[in-house]
Amino acid sequence: SQTIHQWPATLVQPVGSPLSLECTVEGTSNPNLYWYRQAAGRGLQLLFYSVGIGQISSEVPQNLSASRPQDRQFILSSKKLLLSDSGFYLCAWRGLSGEAFFGQGTRLTVV
Amino acid sequence: AQKVTQAQTEISVVEKEDVTLDCVYETRDTTYYLFWYKQPPSGELVFLIRRNSFDEQNEISGRYSWNFQKSTSSFNFTITASQVVDSAVYFCALSEAQSGGFQKLVFGTGTRLLVSP
Repeated sequence: SQTIHQWPATLVQPVGSPLSLECTVEGTSNPNLYWYRQAAGRGLQLLFYSVGIGQISSEVPQNLSASRPQDRQFILSSKKLLLSDSGFYLCAWRGLSGEAFFGQGTRLTVV
Repeated sequence: AQKVTQAQTEISVVEKEDVTLDCVYETRDTTYYLFWYKQPPSGELVFLIRRNSFDEQNEISGRYSWNFQKSTSSFNFTITASQVVDSAVYFCALSEAQSGGFQKLVFGTGTRLLVSP
C-alpha cells in the first residue's frame, strides 16, 4: 500500500533562516506530488506541483522553492524565511483514481 | 479557472442534529472531479469521497451523504445524527481533467463544524 511521509511535524525557525521540508512517498511510482500551505484558520493554498523528476510548477510567487530530486521525493525550501511563511505545510500525492493523499503536515512557526 | 466556494465559515450544532455543509464550484471543463476531505484537530487531511462529473447519483455512506447537482454546480455534504467526533474542518475540492495529465486540486476555504454534546 502507498504511504506518504512528511517531516518534521513541527518547526520553529527564526526570520532569515533557511528551510527544508521533505516529503517521500512509498508504494507508488511517478506520482504527481503537491505542496500546500494552510495559514491559520484558512483554506489550503497550492504552492507547487510536480509531475516528474526535476519538473516543478509554481502556483504562487513567493519566498519558497521546491525540488524533486528523486521520483518519490519532494522538497520544499527557502533561503531566508519571512514571518509570513508561518503556516501548516502539507505534502500530497495523487493516485490514478484522482484523489489526493496527504502527509501529516509540518507546522512551521517563524519567529 | 476552477474555483470552489464554501460560504459557511463555521457551523455549530448539538449532537444528534443533522447538518449540511455547502459547496459550490466553478469550472469550464465538462470533465472534472469533486472531493470532500475532513481535517480533524490533528491536522491531517482525510479523504472522504470522490465524485466525477458524469455521475450525479447521490451517495450515502453510513451517516454521511452527498448531493451532487450539476444544474446548480453544488456538491453538498450532509451528516446525519452528528456526533462530537464529527467536529473538524471540512474541505470541498475540485479537479479538472486536463489533457496534459496533471490535475490541479483546488480547495475551498473550508467549513469548521463544531458538534457539542
